[in-house]
This record gives sequence, structure tokens and C-alpha cells, in this order.
Amino acid sequence: EAQVTQNPRYLITVTGKKLTVTCSQNMNHEYMSWYRQDPGLGLRQIYYSMNVEVTDKGDVPEGYKVSRKEKRNFPLILESPSPNQTSLYFCASSPGWGANTGELFFGEGSRLTVL
Amino acid sequence: GQSLEQPSEVTAVEGAIVQINCTYQTSGFYGLSWYQQHDGGAPTFLSYNGLDGLEETGRFSSFLSRSDSYGYLLLQELQMKDSASYFCASNQGGKLIFGQGTELSVKP
Repeated sequence: EAQVTQNPRYLITVTGKKLTVTCSQNMNHEYMSWYRQDPGLGLRQIYYSMNVEVTDKGDVPEGYKVSRKEKRNFPLILESPSPNQTSLYFCASSPGWGANTGELFFGEGSRLTVL
Repeated sequence: GQSLEQPSEVTAVEGAIVQINCTYQTSGFYGLSWYQQHDGGAPTFLSYNGLDGLEETGRFSSFLSRSDSYGYLLLQELQMKDSASYFCASNQGGKLIFGQGTELSVKP
């Protein structure tokens, strides 16, 4: 089954404790991206990757890191989480932005709480 | 700044037609996408307009006018299951800017 898989789905952590949210897709998609969703603010892009070893900042990259060492995986790293990073996070992928259909395939989301 | 504006809430009755508007101010605009999201679940893709005009997919249609920086999503023959949040998103060649979402409530 074609899918984007995120882990963990739910996490409660404490300020400053490094964490990684994994994202994996099995559709051989070139493009992957991360979003956070907060009430009243919609979805905001954190980072995106057009292909392996190519990453770029979205609108809200502060406090986050990403890597794209292989095509299928795009982990989101919070080196020192803070309470303002409490949010619902979504990973998404697309065949390639050159295809330009605008269609993203989203994971089920990871709800993160930082105390 | 770059932004997309859409109404925060829309209410309609089952069987009716509803239009959700989206106006945008973005640079490097490639096209406009629409997504549906139920109760904080994964957003799902509905439609994309890369060119001006109307795109039709079943009960859903989407329209884009680049000269007016405006688009809309049209939902016909509304069903209760269409109650959800709807987001427009501007495709900027890698960057995707989302509107804040429109919560659609379908009443019997």
C-alpha cells in the first residue's frame, strides 16, 4: 500500500530533550516536506526537500533540523524542544515538483507535546 | 508578505452547493491546490489548478483566475461527510503556502 508513515504518532516530552520524528514513504517520491499545524494558523511549512541531499527552509524552520540521506526517509529533528513547538506535525511527499500537479500525500500526523 | 485568505467558516445544508473562496498574495506562483481535512487527520488532496479556468473532479470543482489572484472550490450535492476543513495552498515551486482553512458544516 502506498503510504507516508510517521513515528511516533503521539509523544509527550520535556523541554530540551532531543527528539526525532521519522517519516518514510514507499512511493519513490522525490519531494518531501514537513508541516506543523496549530489552531487558527493552518499548515505551515518547516522544511522541504526536492531530492536526496537537497533541503530548504520553509516558513518556520527555527528550532528544527532535517536530513535527506536517502530518498524514502526525511526525519525531523528537534535538538532542544521548547513548549512553543507543541503542535501537530505532518510529513508529506510528492512525485516531484516538476510534475507540478500540486498533489501532496500526507502522513497521519504526529502530535507532539513539550512540557 | 505572502498570504492566502479564505473564510473561516461556512455552513450549508445537505444537497446544496457551496463555494469556498481563496484570494492570494504570493510571489513565484505556480498554481493553487485544495485539500480536505477531517478532525485533525491527514489532509487529502482534492484538486489543483495550474492554469486559469475550471477543473472538475466528480462533485468537486476548482477555479483559478491568475489575473485576479483568486480561486475557489465548489462542492455540489453536499453530503454530511463533506463536513470538514478545506485549505487552499499556493504552489511556489517547492514551497507550499496554506491558507488558514475553512470549516464547512453541512446540516441535514
